[in-house]
Amino acid sequence: GQQVMQIPQYQHVQEGEDFTTYCNSSTTLSNIQWYKQRPGGHPVFLIQLVKSGEVKKQKRLTFQFGEAKKNSSLHITATQTTDVGTYFCAGNTGGFKTIFGAGTRLFVKA
Amino acid sequence: SQTIHQWPATLVQPVGSPLSLECTVEGTSNPNLYWYRQAAGRGLQLLFYSVGIGQISSEVPQNLSASRPQDRQFILSSKKLLLSDSGFYLCAWEQGANSPLHFGNGTRLTVT
Repeated sequence: GQQVMQIPQYQHVQEGEDFTTYCNSSTTLSNIQWYKQRPGGHPVFLIQLVKSGEVKKQKRLTFQFGEAKKNSSLHITATQTTDVGTYFCAGNTGGFKTIFGAGTRLFVKA
Repeated sequence: SQTIHQWPATLVQPVGSPLSLECTVEGTSNPNLYWYRQAAGRGLQLLFYSVGIGQISSEVPQNLSASRPQDRQFILSSKKLLLSDSGFYLCAWEQGANSPLHFGNGTRLTVT
C-alpha cells in the first residue's frame, strides 16, 4: 500500500539554526500537506502543495514539492523556541485517504 | 465558522470494557470524517473514514468499529478493549477529498 516516509525522526537544534525535514512517497501524490503538532496538542494544518516543483513560503518556513510529486521538504530558517513540535507531511493520491508520515520531532535549545 | 468537538479528552478504561468516543462537526455539511490513532511519540495511523451517512471504510482490521449515524457525527467504538488500544485518538474532517484536514483536540485513552 501507499507509504509516506519522513526523516529524520528527531532533530535537536540550537535556537537560530536552520532545520529541514524530508518526506518521500512510494507513489506519485496528487498533493502533499504539512501539519504541525505542538507537544500535547493536535495536528494543525500548515500548507498544501499541489503542483510539481511548487515552492511556498510562510515567513521563515519554506515548503517544496518535488518535480516527480513523490517528495517534499520543509525548511525552517533561524529556528525559534516557538517552532518546537512535531512536523508531519501527509500525502494523498487523489482518493479519500490522507496518509501521514511518521513525523519529525523538533527540539530547539535556547 | 466550522468547529469540531471531540470528547472525552482523557479516558482510563480497564481491559475488556467497552468504548465509545464521539466527534461532531459544526458549521458545514457532508464533510468527510476520519478517525486516526497516534501511539506515544509516533505518527498518525488511519483507522476509519466516512464520506457520507452510514458509510464507513476501515483501514485496519481490529476490535474497533466506527459509525456515522448523522451527517456531522462520527463515533468510534469497541466492545472489548485491549491493552494495545491505548493511544491518542483524533477525529478529523475535510470538506471534499484532498482538502486540508481539521483535527479535534483528541482523546487520550489508557487501557489498564
